[in-house]
Amino acid sequence: QVQLQESGPGLVKPSQTLSLTCTVSGGSISSGDYYWSWIRQPPGKGLEWIGYIYYSGSTYYNPSLKSRLTISLDTSKRQFSLKLSSVTAADTAVYYCARGVTTANFDYWGQGTLVTVSA
Amino acid sequence: DIQMTQSPSSVSASVGDRVTITCRASQDISRWLAWYQQKPGKAPKLLIYTASTLQSGVPSRFSGSGSGTDFTLTISSLQPEDFATYYCQEANSFPWTFGQGTKVEVK
Repeated sequence: QVQLQESGPGLVKPSQTLSLTCTVSGGSISSGDYYWSWIRQPPGKGLEWIGYIYYSGSTYYNPSLKSRLTISLDTSKRQFSLKLSSVTAADTAVYYCARGVTTANFDYWGQGTLVTVSA
Repeated sequence: DIQMTQSPSSVSASVGDRVTITCRASQDISRWLAWYQQKPGKAPKLLIYTASTLQSGVPSRFSGSGSGTDFTLTISSLQPEDFATYYCQEANSFPWTFGQGTKVEVK
């Protein structure tokens, strides 16, 4: 059974960089069938797709976040990571990592981690 | 970006009711649409992809239909565990976007 688990600080100061890691277990992170994605959800609001990284290292970012965003992959550790720079209160959200498949939907999700941006 | 609009925003229903949720895309997305269920404090769960394909393990009371710009999620006989918020997601073009959600509440 595929499992994803987010980890990282729950509190980040404004203007700093938000960093999260997703550890994948129970399946291959190196398969060409999957797009390893980050998705976020502000408290009480809807879902926003942030971006993905492919096993080859290629990425696609949401243009609304592209200038501040880096997603990377470490296949040896079975992890992929998110870095979002220059954060503001608007970046406060539950951040999910998820496995995207070739039909461009997300079949496995992490439990989510709340990141609060506050001084 | 493609805008996804769900209606209604909320629906009150009873166990055994038939519930229908609509999702409209701002442009043609063919059948590249997925539906998710989210319960409070939990991650979304994939129910349906490519508009009408049921994800493995999802009960058959859930069904999806539509193509182009108009899509529907139907729960044929609402069960207690189905009270949740439902989201559609377009999978046709980047950036992938979600609808604003439809909350299915107890009547």
